[in-house]
Amino acid sequence: DIQMTQSPSTLSASVGDRVTITCRASQSISSWMAWYQQKPGKAPKLLIYKASSLESGVPSRFSGSGSGTEFTLTISSLQPDDFATYYCQQYNIWYTFGQGTKLEIK
Amino acid sequence: QVHLVQSGAEVKKPGASVKVSCEVPAYTFTSYGFSWVRQAPGQGLEWMGWISAYNGNTKYAQKVQDRVTMTTDTSTSTAYMELRNLRSDDTAVYYCARSTPGSAFYNYAMDVWGQGTAVTVSS
Repeated sequence: DIQMTQSPSTLSASVGDRVTITCRASQSISSWMAWYQQKPGKAPKLLIYKASSLESGVPSRFSGSGSGTEFTLTISSLQPDDFATYYCQQYNIWYTFGQGTKLEIK
Repeated sequence: QVHLVQSGAEVKKPGASVKVSCEVPAYTFTSYGFSWVRQAPGQGLEWMGWISAYNGNTKYAQKVQDRVTMTTDTSTSTAYMELRNLRSDDTAVYYCARSTPGSAFYNYAMDVWGQGTAVTVSS
């Protein structure tokens, strides 16, 4: 099975900050990486697919990059609505999620 | 906007079974597959498996493969996930999500999710 290691597990930041979350796969997954946002009591929401493609309706301050085993999710200027938990997911061979990153207000 | 509508919360005793449903818009149903993902309280997301609405093919995660059955009913455009021999660590919110279309794995992210079904296992 492909393992996903996401870091950091918690991130404290302020409105307007630029933040980056990293995910590492245990083997190459090409560009088959997705990023999800989850708010308390809600279902996850797809933000980024195929490593860098923005899902329809997602603000352009979200971006993704990487290929192979190293991937990043960047939020260019944090907005109040962005404080949530973020998960990476590989879908090269079925599906595996990272452990999640909780983005907190500093 | 596509919506997946799941059945309501369940409370079960250890050793019992639970069956969660996920209703899908009829015009899209057989074009896609559906994954089931669960989230224990305060924990991350865990993929449980997938079913093709096209032909019923399934793929289960190793952790639950001996206790889970995923099915579909094309007449009602509904996907089901049944988990047997429930344990306390099965307490979680269970989500259905639109995923790999067709009859076998294809690289497709989970783009539409149900609202979640809370399952509590307690004696």
